[in-house]
Amino acid sequence: AQKVTQAQTEISVVEKEDVTLDCVYETRDTTYYLFWYKQPPSGELVFLIRRNSFDEQNEISGRYSWNFQKSTSSFNFTITASQVVDSAVYFCALTEFSSGSARQLTFGSGTQLTVLP
Amino acid sequence: DTEVTQTPKHLVMGMTNKKSLKCEQHMGHRAMYWYKQKAKKPPELMFVYSYEKLSINESVPSRFSPECPNSSLLNLHLHALQPEDSALYLCASSQSAGAARTDTQYFGPGTRLTVL
Repeated sequence: AQKVTQAQTEISVVEKEDVTLDCVYETRDTTYYLFWYKQPPSGELVFLIRRNSFDEQNEISGRYSWNFQKSTSSFNFTITASQVVDSAVYFCALTEFSSGSARQLTFGSGTQLTVLP
Repeated sequence: DTEVTQTPKHLVMGMTNKKSLKCEQHMGHRAMYWYKQKAKKPPELMFVYSYEKLSINESVPSRFSPECPNSSLLNLHLHALQPEDSALYLCASSQSAGAARTDTQYFGPGTRLTVL
């Protein structure tokens, strides 16, 4: 069964600090996809990134970067020079691709990030 | 454009009321989803529609009744709800929901439902 663990329930940083959100996953499949979503207080889940299991290249998008390591089953997310607008709940999610048909999107429990001015 | 819209934004209803939540997307996506999210919890999948047909029902009580009138619209009809059904209801869509259901799901802003 697939599982996603976000051990950090809440993180609080001061503006301009860097912060890393951890995500550890479990899956028996060799083909799977990992996602990060941001949920601000307004409620909408905003898609940030999708990464498949065959692509271990790290990715950078502006102040955001992602570190995917299959050896440790982790897909961590770093925000550089954090801003107050980054305050939100961040969800890591996983979906497997088994026997030719994909399974459901499994979410981690989420990490509440608060960036203080 | 990756926009999914939902109406209403907020809804308060009594346990004997009948109401509907609406979701719309114009991205040409053929899969649409309803999720329920309680405070400080991740979203929980309720229903999946693929090509306008119900493909997944996660053992949701019959007081929730989904409907997909066309490929752009998804409704959730509510009847005889309980106070514990109060939650944020999120709609999402993706390009497909079959063998390629690893397609990214794009979410709407949600409807905050309160059942009195």
